[in-house]
Amino acid sequence: ETGVTQTPRHLVMGMTNKKSLKCEQHLGHNAMYWYKQSAKKPLELMFVYNFKEQTENNSVPSRFSPECPNSSHLFLHLHTLQPEDSALYLCASSQDDGTSGVLSTGELFFGEGSRLTVL
Amino acid sequence: QKEVEQNSGPLSVPEGAIASLNCTYSDRGSQSFFWYRQYSGKSPELIMSIYSNGDKEDGRFTAQLNKASQYVSLLIRDSQPSDSATYLCAVVGGYQKVTFGTGTKLQVIP
Repeated sequence: ETGVTQTPRHLVMGMTNKKSLKCEQHLGHNAMYWYKQSAKKPLELMFVYNFKEQTENNSVPSRFSPECPNSSHLFLHLHTLQPEDSALYLCASSQDDGTSGVLSTGELFFGEGSRLTVL
Repeated sequence: QKEVEQNSGPLSVPEGAIASLNCTYSDRGSQSFFWYRQYSGKSPELIMSIYSNGDKEDGRFTAQLNKASQYVSLLIRDSQPSDSATYLCAVVGGYQKVTFGTGTKLQVIP
């Protein structure tokens, strides 16, 4: 138990569906992230929210839409995905010490991930 | 050139041996270095962090950093079958961006 909870753990969706991934952290951290993990590729940073403000959007297609209503919750809204979007989506949190406007720590706490399959 | 490079493995070591995992990075402005362990079907878990040149020991794990050579390594002493996992190297670069390597798969043979 890392203190970061993701739901659902598994999701199968068609290319025309709309679904959302949810992440909640109980660690009191002020930064939250979405990462994509595909086979034989490094973890890809998708979005960063720091103090609820989006500080990074790593050239992610608009079919992925993040939402961060508060510092404990993070959503990833999915719409008209492609089969190549099938991957493990990981949420993470960290405590940013505020010395940088972006990210000042690599000490990330990951959730268990949401395994997404797009048919 | 990849920003963070790791040999994908698998690296096979017998139980009780020392496992040596290596990582090189391209950004000379990198400031912080981390090792994550990821069991199959699980999420990454932070096991070591190192910020200055030299060695840092934590139990059976030792992280080694050489900024001049842009090289960071993880040594696991007395390797156990439970250490079998993929080990991810992560580097915080000059722009405070965290970059991960593809990971090295370690297999500890009983």
